[in-house]
Order: sequence, then structure tokens, then C-alpha cells
Amino acid sequence: DAGVTQSPTHLIKTRGQQVTLRCSPKSGHDTVSWYQQALGQGPQFIFQYYEEEERQRGNFPDRFSGHQFPNYSSELNVNALLLGDSALYLCASSLLWLAGGINEQFFGPGTRLTVL
Amino acid sequence: AQSVTQLDSQVPVFEEAPVELRCNYSSSVSVYLFWYVQYPNQGLQLLLKYLSGSTLVKGINGFEAEFNKSQTSFHLRKPSVHISDTAEYFCAVSPTKAAGNKLTFGGGTRVLVKP
Repeated sequence: DAGVTQSPTHLIKTRGQQVTLRCSPKSGHDTVSWYQQALGQGPQFIFQYYEEEERQRGNFPDRFSGHQFPNYSSELNVNALLLGDSALYLCASSLLWLAGGINEQFFGPGTRLTVL
Repeated sequence: AQSVTQLDSQVPVFEEAPVELRCNYSSSVSVYLFWYVQYPNQGLQLLLKYLSGSTLVKGINGFEAEFNKSQTSFHLRKPSVHISDTAEYFCAVSPTKAAGNKLTFGGGTRVLVKP
């Protein structure tokens, strides 16, 4: 089992550019969540995808968008990059659970984005 | 809404000494509680979780945590640390009565184990 995989590992962009990050969930998982971890801080929830729809969203602007494909893999897109978007972007996969249940989130190694 | 405060940003500790990492949370709804570890250049790994029942929870690598509802705390402990425990530790919460697994994290505590 390959676990959660993310690509690329590192990425350098300039302000104003657009970026796409990719995530493949752990085998058998159908839900993907994205988190942003700025340097020296804890991860912050961006959004979550299940059945190819955005199910929950954190406090991030519309410049952050995503997509989930029929094979459950996901993309995170960020438009009009700002210096403050520099961070480690973590993908996590799980099984969607209804209220009252819990399923562990498995995290990938992350993509480190640097905006110059 | 939920918030998580980790009271110590850095904790230096000698090898084989005990360590305690403090975590307090605030939430208007009931939550599940988690501790994750992040080794350098890696993603997050679940150490332990509190869902219900006994307030003392045991996790991997000899870690344990105690949930205190009245103090809204979930402190992590290890009686004897190893060099390999050098990492960043994150406390997190997730609402119990909401679909999905949205996690709210604290700012992290960096543990440096010295020989």
C-alpha cells in the first residue's frame, strides 16, 4: 500500500502565477482534504472533497480551488499567487463518515511551495 | 468554531527524561481530540486519539494523553524519551457531530531531545 502520495515535492513560483498540486489518496479512501502549513505554524484546513464535490471549506479565498476525479485523486489550484502562499501543502485521505463516527486521516508528505 | 492552543512552542529535554506537551482547546460543540507527530520533511502521523470512554489514552511509541473535560485540556506525555522522538507535535480537534474529518490544529510544539 503506497499510502497518500503528493506531487511535486517542491515547487518555486513567482507572484501572480498559478499552481496545481496533486494528491493520490490511500487505497480504499474516498475523501481528500487539503491543509496549508505555513512555516512554524500548525496546518490549516483549506477544503475537503468527497464524490467529486467540495463538502467543507475553511477560511481561504476563492483563489484556492480544487477538484476530485472519479478515481478519488485530487488537485489543489491556487491562482494569482502571493508571497504569503508560501507553505507546505498537505493532503490527507480518509473514508467519509457520518455524524457520530470517526475515520483516521492519513497524511501525505506534502508539497513545499515557495513564491518569490 | 474550535481553537487549539499549545502552550509551549519548544521543549528541550534530555534523553531518557520524561516530557509533557500541553494542549488546551476551546469549542462550542463536543470534539474528538488527537495528537499528531511530524518528523522533518515528512507528513503528519497519528500518535493517539480520544473519542470517548477512559480519559487516559495510550498511543504509539510509548506516548499517552489525558483528556480533562473541565479544564478543556489534552496533555501528551512520555515517561522516557529517545533521540528519535525529536520532532514537532500537533494537538488537533474535530467536531463529533459533523460529517467529514475537518481538523483544527494547534501551533505545534517542537521537541528537541538532547543526548
